[in-house]
Amino acid sequence: TQLLEQSPQFLSIQEGENLTVYCNSSSVFSSLQWYRQEPGEGPVLLVTVVTGGEVKKLKRLTFQFGDARKDSSLHITAAQPGDTGLYLCAGHRNRDDKIIFGKGTRLHILP
Amino acid sequence: DAGITQSPRHKVTETGTPVTLRCHQTENHRYMYWYRQDPGHGLRLIHYSYGVKDTDKGEVSDGYSVSRSKTEDFLLTLESATSSQTSVYFCAISQREVGNSPLHFGNGTRLTVT
Repeated sequence: TQLLEQSPQFLSIQEGENLTVYCNSSSVFSSLQWYRQEPGEGPVLLVTVVTGGEVKKLKRLTFQFGDARKDSSLHITAAQPGDTGLYLCAGHRNRDDKIIFGKGTRLHILP
Repeated sequence: DAGITQSPRHKVTETGTPVTLRCHQTENHRYMYWYRQDPGHGLRLIHYSYGVKDTDKGEVSDGYSVSRSKTEDFLLTLESATSSQTSVYFCAISQREVGNSPLHFGNGTRLTVT
C-alpha cells in the first residue's frame, strides 16, 4: 500500500506552461516536505509546510498543505527547462514518528 | 550544501560478496539515515542512527547492517549481496529528529549486484 500517492507520475510540458502536481494520503501528517532531485544527485529540500491550509511561495513555485493535513500540491507558473527533475513529497506521520516518501513526479519541461 | 560525502559513487559486485558503503558528514548532525531508491518504490528507509553507537531498523532492513562509531561516519554493510539489493543508496542527515528537521541527502551510491 502506497501511503503517499503522487500524481501524475510523469509530466512533459512546454516551457511557459503552468502545471500542478499532487501528493495525497489518507493519513494525517504533522508536516510535509517537497524535494527536487536531479539525475545523479540526491533530493534537495524545497519547502516544509506544517499548518493545515498553509501556502508557501518560492519564486514561481507555490506549495499548499491541505486543511486536513492529508494532502499537498505544488504549482509551477511559467515552467522553465531548469524545473526539470523528480519532485518528491515526504510526510511526517506523528502516530509512529515516520517519514513517508511518495514515489515522485518526473517532470520534463521542453524548451 | 550540507557536507555529505558518499563512497564509493559506483560499485559492481558479485552475488554473495560483502559490501560496505560509507557516508561521511562534516555538519556534526546527530541523525543519519540510509535509504534505497528503486523505480516503482521511491525512497525507503533501511536503517538510521540517532547518535554514536545508537542505531535502529527502518522498513527494509533485512540483509543490511550499520555501524556508527563516530559522529561523522555511518557505514552500511551488505553481509552477502544479492541481486535484489541492486539499487541506488542515499545517505541523509538531519540536525534534529525526523519531522522536526529537514533531511539533507548525499549524492548516492549506485550499486549493481551481478
